[in-house]
Amino acid sequence: DSGVTQTPKHLITATGQRVTLRCSPRSGDLSVYWYQQSLDQGLQFLIQYYNGEERAKGNILERFSAQQFPDLHSELNLSSLELGDSALYFCASSAGLIYTFGSGTRLTVV
Amino acid sequence: GIQVEQSPPDLILQEGANSTLRCNFSDSVNNLQWFHQNPWGQLINLFYIPSGTKQNGRLSATTVATERYSLLYISSSQTTDSGVYFCAVVKGAQKLVFGQGTRLTINP
Repeated sequence: DSGVTQTPKHLITATGQRVTLRCSPRSGDLSVYWYQQSLDQGLQFLIQYYNGEERAKGNILERFSAQQFPDLHSELNLSSLELGDSALYFCASSAGLIYTFGSGTRLTVV
Repeated sequence: GIQVEQSPPDLILQEGANSTLRCNFSDSVNNLQWFHQNPWGQLINLFYIPSGTKQNGRLSATTVATERYSLLYISSSQTTDSGVYFCAVVKGAQKLVFGQGTRLTINP
């Protein structure tokens, strides 16, 4: 157990729907990062939050949004889902320079 | 932004063999981590190694920061070592940038 908890582990949904992915960072870590890994691809950075504030944005679609709550957990909201959004979505947290990843949420859009 | 290149892209070995995976990066970095993604998709942190050499059992890693590369050594490979190995770096206060990975297959 890495200490970063992601739920759900698997999600199957239809095109056009909206889903929410949840991440609880390691205790004490203030930074949360979201990454997307499409089939046989590397990991693409989506967005970073630090202590509730958006810190950096990567290749995140306008249909996607995220937030970090006062208890430091984070949610990634994906809307108007398309087949191409099917991917593994990872959350990571960091204290300083070392990043720790959760087990990921595997999203399948059908 | 910073570029990370890993080689080889694919590696197929017999159980018991040794392997060396390479990671080149285009700029100075504050952080370099090696990860193993197992066949179930989990990302396991292997090493935090912005410079120097570290060892953990059959695995070891060396980063030569001045020459902008890192090497991951796997000795006496086992089938459980199969998966994709990622190198990832951070420059300054920016996010972790991943290479495209090396897919390692260990055959029994």
